[in-house]
Amino acid sequence: EAGVTQSPTHLIKTRGQQATLRCSPISGHTSVYWYQQALGLGLQFLLWYDEGEERNRGNFPPRFSGRQFPNYSSELNVNALELEDSALYLCASSLGIGTVNEKLFFGSGTQLSVL
Amino acid sequence: QKEVEQDPGPLSVPEGAIVSLNCTYSNSAFQYFMWYRQYSRKGPELLMYTYSSGNKEDGRFTAQVDKSSKYISLFIRDSQPSDSATYLCAMSLGGGSEKLVFGKGTKLTVNP
Repeated sequence: EAGVTQSPTHLIKTRGQQATLRCSPISGHTSVYWYQQALGLGLQFLLWYDEGEERNRGNFPPRFSGRQFPNYSSELNVNALELEDSALYLCASSLGIGTVNEKLFFGSGTQLSVL
Repeated sequence: QKEVEQDPGPLSVPEGAIVSLNCTYSNSAFQYFMWYRQYSRKGPELLMYTYSSGNKEDGRFTAQVDKSSKYISLFIRDSQPSDSATYLCAMSLGGGSEKLVFGKGTKLTVNP
């Protein structure tokens, strides 16, 4: 069974540009989470989608946004990129609302570099 | 006080050693406790999952939760070079993965 897949693996952008990151969850999982892992800061929760709706977001500015598609895949958009947005962006999936869904399964991440 | 504290290390041990990794937390309402292993340039992989207090064993790995002390541990017996990775603790109040709080991770190196 395929795990969580993310694309692209690496992304290089310049300041002010927009970045789009993509994620496909494990089959049967309806919840998708996005995390930012910057050097020295640990995993920071960005966004949670379930059944196509944004359910919760972390303490990030509105230029971080995303969506979930009917097939439960998701994309994360980061507008007006800043140098400090350089980080590993991790997508995770789990069973959806109404289940004991504390188990997160992560993809390998997209390394975003902003120059 | 941070919600979850984890010593970042780095921790370096010889092959075959017993490794002890720990996290402390401040919120006594946490109920679910997890350990993730993250290899370099990879996403975290769920290693151990525990509900409430007690011990859980899986092969060479043992997870312990002491809710009275707000302290969780991961023990690795007979450590191998392939165990070299960053280990992150995570915990949740329950009610969903979006409420998971992660430690910053401890970097472990097992030397052959």
